[in-house]
Amino acid sequence: DAGVTQSPTHLIKTRGQQVTLRCSPKSGHDTVSWYQQALGQGPQFIFQYYEEEERQRGNFPDRFSGHQFPNYSSELNVNALLLGDSALYLCASSSTGTSLRKQYFGPGTRLTVT
Amino acid sequence: GDSVTQMEGPVTLSEEACLTINCTYTATGYPSLFWYVQYPGEGLQLLLKATKADDKGSNKGFEATYRKETTSFHLEKGSVQVSDSAVYFCALSDPTPGGSYIPTFGRGTSLIVHP
Repeated sequence: DAGVTQSPTHLIKTRGQQVTLRCSPKSGHDTVSWYQQALGQGPQFIFQYYEEEERQRGNFPDRFSGHQFPNYSSELNVNALLLGDSALYLCASSSTGTSLRKQYFGPGTRLTVT
Repeated sequence: GDSVTQMEGPVTLSEEACLTINCTYTATGYPSLFWYVQYPGEGLQLLLKATKADDKGSNKGFEATYRKETTSFHLEKGSVQVSDSAVYFCALSDPTPGGSYIPTFGRGTSLIVHP
């Protein structure tokens, strides 16, 4: 049973560019959450998707947007990249059928903005 | 709003030493409490959890007790191993009005265990 997978593993972009990160949830999970983890910090919640809609959003600007597909996979898009967007981006999945409190995290995508 | 405060690291120990990583929280409701571990180059893994006061979560020799009176959830292990070297995150999760659970994380405490 595959866990949460994310792609790509690493990414280098230039200021002002746009980036798309991808996440496949654990089998049987229908809810996907995205987090930003800056170096030396704990993860900060960006948003959560369920039934292809954004259900909850953290304190992030509109440059951060997402999408969930019918197969529950998800994308995180960031426009107009800033140097401060450099971070590890984590995807987590959970299930409304069992416990939303238990989230399974992927290995993350390391984004570097130069 | 909700917040989590962890002791700053790094915590450096010799193998077989006792470990305590302090965690205190502020929450408006009755949150669930978690410890996550992040090994180098990896994502977070749930280590243990407790969902109500006086519950003790335990896993792989680690344990933590939900103390409502002191709003604490300290992580302990009696004898650490080199393989325990990682960053440990304390987190809490309150149900949102929409019924989802969005964890709030502490800043993490790095543990380094020497042979």
